[in-house]
Amino acid sequence: AQTVTQSQPEMSVQEAETVTLSCTYDTSESDYYLFWYKQPPSRQMILVIRQEAYKQQNATENRFSVNFQKAAKSFSLKISDSQLGDAAMYFCAYRSSWSGGATNKLIFGTGTLLAVQP
Amino acid sequence: NAGVTQTPKFQVLKTGQSMTLQCAQDMNHEYMSWYRQDPGMGLRLIHYSVGAGITDQGEVPNGYNVSRSTTEDFPLRLLSAAPSQTSVYFCASSYSGLSNQPQHFGDGTRLSIL
Repeated sequence: AQTVTQSQPEMSVQEAETVTLSCTYDTSESDYYLFWYKQPPSRQMILVIRQEAYKQQNATENRFSVNFQKAAKSFSLKISDSQLGDAAMYFCAYRSSWSGGATNKLIFGTGTLLAVQP
Repeated sequence: NAGVTQTPKFQVLKTGQSMTLQCAQDMNHEYMSWYRQDPGMGLRLIHYSVGAGITDQGEVPNGYNVSRSTTEDFPLRLLSAAPSQTSVYFCASSYSGLSNQPQHFGDGTRLSIL
């Protein structure tokens, strides 16, 4: 069974600085998808960025980028120029590439609570 | 286009009571699912549906029932509420069963069982 581990329960960053959130996963599959979701205090689950395992190029979305190391099964999120609005719980999630049924479920890590200091 | 709508946003129940958490989406998504979020445990899948009339169990299905009579709606029923079911519940949907489709989440329902 696949597992996702986020080893940093809490992180803090100064406004305008860069922070990296860690995520590792365990799977025997070769093709899959990885996601980072942001959950602000409003409780919404917001997709931040996604990575397809068969793509070597790291995904980027504006100030958010990932460092995807497939061999190491590592998927870290880098937030550049941190803003106060980035303060939230961040979840790393895994999804199998097989279509249909239970394989479509997202497997979540336990989350990292990010605080942004002004 | 409202996305995924969950009602109610908050609910307090007594042990043994039953209730239904509502979830509706207006994006014509085939795949819908229910997760529960507990402190320190991330989100865990309760039940899911790949289309109208088709449902199946997820990781933590005990104590919950679902049905999918229409594409739009996917209600979650608590049969006899227990304190262990105190949690935040999220409904999610995606366009199809293809795993590259991002899931859209509702705003969650905070449920407390006394």
